[in-house]
Amino acid sequence: DAGVIQSPRHEVTEMGQEVTLRCKPISGHNSLFWYRQTMMRGLELLIYFNNNVPIDDSGMPEDRFSAKMPNASFSTLKIQPSEPRDSAVYFCASSPGTGRETQYFGPGTRLLVL
Amino acid sequence: AQSVTQLGSHVSVSEGALVLLRCNYSSSVPPYLFWYVQYPNQGLQLLLKYTSAATLVKGINGFEAEFKKSETSFHLTKPSAHMSDAAEYFCAVTTSGTYKYIFGTGTRLKVLA
Repeated sequence: DAGVIQSPRHEVTEMGQEVTLRCKPISGHNSLFWYRQTMMRGLELLIYFNNNVPIDDSGMPEDRFSAKMPNASFSTLKIQPSEPRDSAVYFCASSPGTGRETQYFGPGTRLLVL
Repeated sequence: AQSVTQLGSHVSVSEGALVLLRCNYSSSVPPYLFWYVQYPNQGLQLLLKYTSAATLVKGINGFEAEFKKSETSFHLTKPSAHMSDAAEYFCAVTTSGTYKYIFGTGTRLKVLA
């Protein structure tokens, strides 16, 4: 199994630009999570999808952030417009169910907004 | 509501010495507990998990953790540290019926030659 795939691995952009992060979960997993990791705030859950439906987006910082999951094998996290404070590592994770099942993390996208 | 506290943001041990990383949790219902490891520039990888079966849980790379309900703890140990164990370790808690993991703030382990 290829594991969770994220692209790009690194992104450098200028303030105000649109950023799109991509995630391919493990085949057969029906839960998908987007996290943000920073030194100051640690790991934060941004949004949770179950069976392609957003269940909890309470962690999305503001309207500049949006996420979609058009099918079971693809999800995007978009920031428009980006700001320097969005600089962080963004992780996608998937799991085969809900609750106590293990979450499998992708390698992350390191975003730097100048 | 659940919470996790990891004592010590940085821990240094000598190669071959005992590794002990501390995790205390708070949960009003039976918890499920996890330890993840993050190597530099990588995602989180599961080390081990407790899901209400045996209280002593063995994981990968020689790590183990013991669930102690009376102490609300789930400390991670390894008898003999190896240089390759240098990484950041995260404790997490969840409960049955919820998808949310609550992660601790992490402990960065340094292994000295």
